[in-house]
Amino acid sequence: QSALTQPASVSGSPGQSITISCTGTSSDFGVYNYVSWYQQRPGKAPKLIIYNISKRPSGVSDRFSGSKSDNTASLTISGLQAEDEADYYCSSYTYIRIVFGGGTKLTVL
Amino acid sequence: QVQLVESGGGVVQPGRSLRLSCAASGFTFSSFGMHWVRQAPGQGLEWVAVIRYDGTNKYYADSVKGRFTISRDNSKSTLYLQMNSLRAEDTAVYYCAKESYGSGSTDYWGQGTLVTVSS
Repeated sequence: QSALTQPASVSGSPGQSITISCTGTSSDFGVYNYVSWYQQRPGKAPKLIIYNISKRPSGVSDRFSGSKSDNTASLTISGLQAEDEADYYCSSYTYIRIVFGGGTKLTVL
Repeated sequence: QVQLVESGGGVVQPGRSLRLSCAASGFTFSSFGMHWVRQAPGQGLEWVAVIRYDGTNKYYADSVKGRFTISRDNSKSTLYLQMNSLRAEDTAVYYCAKESYGSGSTDYWGQGTLVTVSS
């Protein structure tokens, strides 16, 4: 049950856009397209920001968007804001388990 | 509003047992699958186990299979994690999380409870 692969860190300046990749195998992602992204601020529980590859829960800013091509999912944050500084995790659900990425620390310069 | 409140964490010696609880409110608990996810200090998220809405099916991460048991009491809207034969590497914050129907995601998480396995 290896983790999905994410870059350890990314950074960007306010107003810029950044993309975080999440790479796995076809067995990691399965056939359900159940790819999700979570934001975790220090000392807090993770918060769901993207589900089903590209859908946003109610209340999540439209600056967050998701996509997937083959075995790589991506999270894009546009118009970076200081409050976006956090850890971001991708995940894939294959009905019998969830696989998480190793996490990416986003620094807003 | 949805609330998930974990309890039962603490310091325990290697080889001993501990039971975590997660009290749910604000939604129809008996209609949703529930997960336990843990996070070791300074580390990433690790999925631990899932139980279906009616308790009929349960699945575990290889790292805890045979030692941990997930269960639920729908009459009490409570999720449990029985942890036996604890090891130092089980030290983590344990979160319970509600599954979002039809999306494979977990849309609500508790605040977590810290389990420290140390002699």
